[in-house]
Amino acid sequence: QVQLQQSGPGLVQPSQTLSLTCAISGDSVSSNSAAWNWIRQSPSRGLEWLGRTYYRSKWYGDYGASVRSRIAINPDTSKNQFSLHLSSVSPEDTAVYYCARYTSSGWFFDFWGQGILVTVSS
Amino acid sequence: EIVMTQSPATLSVSPGEGATLSCRASQSVNTNLAWYQQKPGQPPRLLIYGASTRATGIPARFSGSGSGTEFTLTISSLQSEDFAVYYCQQYKTWPPDSFGQGTKLEIK
Repeated sequence: QVQLQQSGPGLVQPSQTLSLTCAISGDSVSSNSAAWNWIRQSPSRGLEWLGRTYYRSKWYGDYGASVRSRIAINPDTSKNQFSLHLSSVSPEDTAVYYCARYTSSGWFFDFWGQGILVTVSS
Repeated sequence: EIVMTQSPATLSVSPGEGATLSCRASQSVNTNLAWYQQKPGQPPRLLIYGASTRATGIPARFSGSGSGTEFTLTISSLQSEDFAVYYCQQYKTWPPDSFGQGTKLEIK
């Protein structure tokens, strides 16, 4: 059974960088048939896909248009986890952040982390 | 961009009764449609993919149907744990961020 365990701060100051980690058990961040995603949820935006990292002989990353200029998603093979870094945050980035997996079966998300509410406020 | 529209926004049903939730896509997604259930304070939980295939461990009272632009999630004989918000998501086109706005299933 795949489990995703999220960690990171729940409060970030405006203009700073939001950083979260998702630790994977029951699968590998280097899997050739999975991709590792970050999704956020807020009342104003609903469920919003932020980006992914995946390995297919080499590492790839893709990001959503709304955050592309300030996001990075990085794998950590030594710890079997991946991270989200979102820079220059504003109150509009306040949301519950989830990590999630999809596999070669399709771009639907079969396993999710527990979610972390991140508030951007001074 | 494919827009997913769910109806109704809120559905009030008594325990033991059945419920039918609808999801419409602005253009055809074939059967690349997933349904999720979300309870307060929890992440979404995958129920259905491929429009009609139940995910592992999902009870048989949950069923999905449809193709193209019209989809339905049917829950027969509602249990107390089924009252939640339900989302549909199309995954025919990239990126995978086409979620519906949700249907809240509440106890009548």
